[in-house]
Amino acid sequence: NAGVTQTPKFQVLKTGQSMTLQCAQDMNHNSMYWYRQDPGMGLRLIYYSASEGTTDKGEVPNGYNVSRLNKREFSLRLESAAPSQTSVYFCASSVGPFVDTEAFFGQGTRLTVV
Amino acid sequence: KQEVTQIPAALSVPEGENLVLNCSFTDSAIYNLQWFRQDPGKGLTSLLLIQSSQREQTSGRLNASLDKSSGRSTLYIAASQPGDSATYLCAVYGGATNKLIFGTGTLLAVQP
Repeated sequence: NAGVTQTPKFQVLKTGQSMTLQCAQDMNHNSMYWYRQDPGMGLRLIYYSASEGTTDKGEVPNGYNVSRLNKREFSLRLESAAPSQTSVYFCASSVGPFVDTEAFFGQGTRLTVV
Repeated sequence: KQEVTQIPAALSVPEGENLVLNCSFTDSAIYNLQWFRQDPGKGLTSLLLIQSSQREQTSGRLNASLDKSSGRSTLYIAASQPGDSATYLCAVYGGATNKLIFGTGTLLAVQP
């Protein structure tokens, strides 16, 4: 049982380049999330998708776009990467919306923008 | 806006001590609260999930409590071990929006 799978695990970008982080879950969950984690700041919500076909901004959406491709997949795109976007990115899913269940996380993508 | 705070930010204890980590949140209309563990450079491991109707959950040496009305949760670790050294994060789900919001974490070091 794969759970939540993120690709790639590591990435180095040059300033101005674009890339898409992929996330897929095989638990038939409705809700999916993208977070970034910076030293000493916990996890901050970038975007979330309560259910297939919907997306909403979180705490730090600037510089990112998302696509809920289908129920399984939720991608995060950086259109023009900046050094401030160097971070570890986590994808998560839960049964949701408004359902009391556990959230599951991928192993993270370490992104460095030089 | 839901805000989640964890105190202390860092904690160092000798092996064998019992310890308490704190988590507070501003919007009490939550569905659940989850405690996670994160080892350096790794992902998140779920430790305990407390539903809004529950007051506590236990798993081995871990006990988590929830007081929704006061917006507080505690994670109690009994007889700490060096292997417990990690960052502990709490996250609340629900409130006015369908979001999972995290605290900033507590970095725990258990000295042998």
